[in-house]
Amino acid sequence: GAVVSQHPSRVICKSGTSVKIECRSLDFQATTMFWYRQFPKQSLMLMATSNEGSKATYEQGVEKDKFLINHASLTLSTLTVTSAHPEDSSFYICSASGQVATNEKLFFGSGTQLSVL
Amino acid sequence: QQQVKQSPQSLIVQKGGISIINCAYENTAFDYFPWYQQFPGKGPALLIAIRPDVSEKKEGRFTISFNKSAKQFSLHIMDSQPGDSATYFCAATGSSYKLIFGSGTRLLVRP
Repeated sequence: GAVVSQHPSRVICKSGTSVKIECRSLDFQATTMFWYRQFPKQSLMLMATSNEGSKATYEQGVEKDKFLINHASLTLSTLTVTSAHPEDSSFYICSASGQVATNEKLFFGSGTQLSVL
Repeated sequence: QQQVKQSPQSLIVQKGGISIINCAYENTAFDYFPWYQQFPGKGPALLIAIRPDVSEKKEGRFTISFNKSAKQFSLHIMDSQPGDSATYFCAATGSSYKLIFGSGTRLLVRP
């Protein structure tokens, strides 16, 4: 199947700093990328949907000024957590959809564990 | 109408037994129903998926049963193994691929 690479896998930062998470589709063009957040022992909650070259669409309750999403190319989307606070500590997961020659049309990254001190 | 309800929250099964997880949805526009397996600290991995034009799909030890009229679908894991111990999520989506996840089921398979 197609591969989505997410980096870094783990990041620890101080409160008030910004953190950037990258999501890359390695062998297909991702027309749409999704960003999810998962708190411990909870489900994945969709934060935003991004299409290449256009502004991201955020889900209700997600602060767009805090979680900046950029999808500048068909293989890269980034999520920047600005002025991070301890309550932003979570597992962030991206997924990508695009035209691939399999029945599976949606591929997930391996996730980024963010810890804000 | 966007919810996907999943049960049970946790499940303990003996090795070799059958694990059954159920999900229900409300939005009739959903047309793709995947199941994901997630290990701690990892992203979800697609196990098996079904579209509403079939009532059952089997891949190895994993089977999805789909009841369109009841808007329910379930995952059956046959001959459950300790290595199957993980959290399982059902999900649903339409043409946008914007997945709505169930709340998850933590499966423990005892040796």
